[in-house]
Amino acid sequence: DGGITQSPKYLFRKEGQNVTLSCEQNLNHDAMYWYRQDPGQGLRLIYYSQIVNDFQKGDIAEGYSVSREKKESFPLTVTSAQKNPTAFYLCASSSRPEATQYFGPGTRLTVL
Amino acid sequence: QQQVKQSPQSLIVQKGGISIINCAYENTAFDYFPWYQQFPGKGPALLIAIRPDVSEKKEGRFTISFNKSAKQFSLHIMDSQPGDSATYFCAASTGGTYKYIFGTGTRLKVLA
Repeated sequence: DGGITQSPKYLFRKEGQNVTLSCEQNLNHDAMYWYRQDPGQGLRLIYYSQIVNDFQKGDIAEGYSVSREKKESFPLTVTSAQKNPTAFYLCASSSRPEATQYFGPGTRLTVL
Repeated sequence: QQQVKQSPQSLIVQKGGISIINCAYENTAFDYFPWYQQFPGKGPALLIAIRPDVSEKKEGRFTISFNKSAKQFSLHIMDSQPGDSATYFCAASTGGTYKYIFGTGTRLKVLA
């Protein structure tokens, strides 16, 4: 069964802590993305990766970090430097630049 | 110039009616325009997409109309059903890049 999995579904974090969100895909896609979604807003790009061991900052990368050591995995770390981290985080992947992006089910992060 | 402006922000339609959501863009380099449907707590799912070489694309009850000269595109949902109640996002991208620009979303409610 091909697709994108994100874990956990819900995540709670205390202020000042780093937290890592998992994203795995078995679609053999080259490109992967992380978006942030806030109520009433569109999706904003945090980071994207076109190939293993390479990634670029999106529009709102401050306070986030990523790695791409394997083609199928693209974890996102929300650091304590992110001032307002409570949001719904979405991972996506696509096979090539002009191809459709497919989304995972999302992780809702709440900072207590 | 990188923005995609989406309207309306919310929409209420009677069952069986037509739902219309509009998007406008400025960047004439955009050449791929997908629409996504998102249910609460879920990731967006691709609904239908169009390229600027056609003026209309239909898939079941969903139709995209594209007006290249006006730099506008719209989603029409015919015979709207309560199960269509969701948030709809338009997006645009440029060939050769992985970057999607998303609209801010339209929350559709179809009354039974």
